[in-house]
Amino acid sequence: DIQMTQSPSSLSASVGDRVTITCRASQSISNYLNWYQQKLGKAPKLLIFAASSLQSGVPSRFSGSGSGTDFSLTISSLQPEDLATYYCQQSSTFPYTFGQGTKLEIK
Amino acid sequence: QVQLQESGPGLVKPSQTLSLTCTVSGASISSGGYYWSWIRQHPGKDLEWIGYIYHTGSTNYNPSLKSRVTISVDTSKNQFSLKLRSVTAADTAVYYCARESAMAIIVWGQGTLVTVSS
Repeated sequence: DIQMTQSPSSLSASVGDRVTITCRASQSISNYLNWYQQKLGKAPKLLIFAASSLQSGVPSRFSGSGSGTDFSLTISSLQPEDLATYYCQQSSTFPYTFGQGTKLEIK
Repeated sequence: QVQLQESGPGLVKPSQTLSLTCTVSGASISSGGYYWSWIRQHPGKDLEWIGYIYHTGSTNYNPSLKSRVTISVDTSKNQFSLKLRSVTAADTAVYYCARESAMAIIVWGQGTLVTVSS
C-alpha cells in the first residue's frame, strides 16, 4: 500500500495567518492527491482534488499544490471556522490511503 | 443535492457479521458515472478505505479486508450495503458511506458508529 505521511501532526495558528500542511507519498502518485477537512463530530469534506483543483463551494483561501510525492495544502488567511483536522488521500493506486491527519487549532 | 444516510445496528458481537445499508437521495445509483463506497474511521482517527461498488455490481475491495467484506447494491431501492464478517474489537469504528468520482470522495454520509463488543 502507498503510505501517506502528513506534517505537522498538529499546529496552532492565529486568525489571519498563512498556514501550510504537507503530505508525502511513499511512491509517486502523479497528481492523484485529495485534501479533506473534518470538523469535530462531522464527516470529512472534500476541499481539493487532483492536487490543486478547488472543489465547488470551497473558499478560495484554500489552495493545493504538488505532484509526484510531495504535496501541500495552504490556507492563505486563517479563519476561525477553519478549526478542523485535515487529511490527504491518494487516489492513484488501490487501496486508496489517507494521511494520519493534521489537527489545526486557532490561537 | 445528493445525500447519503447510513443505517444499521450500532452494536455487534465479536465473530458476528456487521451489516450496514446506505440510502441515497438526490441521485440515482443506476445512472452510473460514480462509485459507491464505504470508508471507516477508527477511534484513533485513522481513515481506512474499505471498498466500492459500481451500479453494474462491479466491486473493488481493500486487500486487508477483502476476505471478510461484501458490498452489494440494490438499484430498485437506491441503496447499497456493506457486510463485514467475523468482526473483532478492531472493527469498532465510525462507518461512512460515500459517493466517489474517478478522482475523489465527493459526498459523504454523516457516519454511524459501530461498536464490536459482547
